[in-house]
Amino acid sequence: AQSVTQPDIHITVSEGASLELRCNYSYGATPYLFWYVQSPGQGLQLLLKYFSGDTLVQGIKGFEAEFKRSQSSFNLRKPSVHWSDAAEYFCAVEKSTNAGKSTFGDGTTLTVKP
Amino acid sequence: KAGVTQTPRYLIKTRGQQVTLSCSPISGHRSVSWYQQTPGQGLQFLFEYFSETQRNKGNFPGRFSGRQFSNSRSEMNVSTLELGDSALYLCASSKGPQETQYFGPGTRLLVL
Repeated sequence: AQSVTQPDIHITVSEGASLELRCNYSYGATPYLFWYVQSPGQGLQLLLKYFSGDTLVQGIKGFEAEFKRSQSSFNLRKPSVHWSDAAEYFCAVEKSTNAGKSTFGDGTTLTVKP
Repeated sequence: KAGVTQTPRYLIKTRGQQVTLSCSPISGHRSVSWYQQTPGQGLQFLFEYFSETQRNKGNFPGRFSGRQFSNSRSEMNVSTLELGDSALYLCASSKGPQETQYFGPGTRLLVL
């Protein structure tokens, strides 16, 4: 079965600093990969997704992620963090043969210092 | 375009009761998935429906069930509630199984 690991439970960055959130997955074939953001008490909002093609994916709110097959990683990056980016971030994976059933990581909580 | 709607948003039940949660997908979406989110277990997949048929089911006991109607609206039911069923239940809809999922705001269930 596929699995997702987000090694960092909590990350704190200063406003304006760069950000990288790590995500590693376990799956035998090329998976579908996603990053979501969740603000307190809210549902999930899709930031970006990777299905195939270009391994560098651009998303909303200035986020990007790079799929590295050799490292089984799909890290999320943002060059300059804004205070409004403080939230919980989830990486998710789906089997390409079983789309619609996502497996989520445990999430990384981002705190932004002024 | 209206997003995914979940009702009710908040619910308090007692152990042993049953509960039904509703999800109205985005217009034109035919696939609905349900997830349970708890602090201890994180986000876990419950089941997925497409065109009124259950395509996938997660590892939850039979107390958890769902269905989808011809208008793509979906309901999930939990019978004989346990304290551990307290969670945020999220519904997501998509045009189809390999399309992007859009999540609703969730129903927060508290079991006392």
